[in-house]
Amino acid sequence: DTGVSQDPRHKITKRGQNVTFRCDPISEHNRLYWYRQTLGQGPEFLTYFQNEAQLEKSRLLSDRFSAERPKGSFSTLEIQRTEQGDSAMYLCASSLGLVGTQYFGPGTRLLVL
Amino acid sequence: KNQVEQSPQSLIILEGKNCTLQCNYTVSPFSNLRWYKQDTGRGPVSLTIMTFSENTKSNGRYTATLDADTKQSSLHITASQLSDSASYICVVSARNAGNMLTFGGGTRLMVKP
Repeated sequence: DTGVSQDPRHKITKRGQNVTFRCDPISEHNRLYWYRQTLGQGPEFLTYFQNEAQLEKSRLLSDRFSAERPKGSFSTLEIQRTEQGDSAMYLCASSLGLVGTQYFGPGTRLLVL
Repeated sequence: KNQVEQSPQSLIILEGKNCTLQCNYTVSPFSNLRWYKQDTGRGPVSLTIMTFSENTKSNGRYTATLDADTKQSSLHITASQLSDSASYICVVSARNAGNMLTFGGGTRLMVKP
């Protein structure tokens, strides 16, 4: 257990539905990252926050994706109008400062039917 | 474009044997290189981290090497155990990229009894 938690661990939804995932980072970590990982591949960067500010978003993050970190603590990742191609593991990581090691949560596995 | 390539993609070894996983990268300017272990259905867990000036770093039965001139790293696992079965991901950070990580595709290791 790295200290980063994610909820839910698994989510099955029908195409077109909205889903929201939550990440609780290690409490003193000011940076929080979201990644997407498909089977057999390494994680791909989606977005990251420093405190409550969203500082960078990947081109992978289409308009249907939105992430928030309202109080600089937990974060949510929402996917609207899900598509089958959104099926993946969504990983959250947190770190302390610019060069601190990123600690990953267990991930949320999404399956869109 | 920053890239990290790993080989082999998959590897099967017998319990007790040693193995070496390879990582080549083109990330520039280089900041540090990490090896992560990812069990099936779990988030990655950091094994080692090396900066430009470090050639080798050990963590128990795991030993990582880094050649910053040839931009290559290896992860050597000694006296493998069944619990070593996992994906091993090489991750490189660029100095000017706000701790943004470039992930390799991973090597899937299976240790058989």
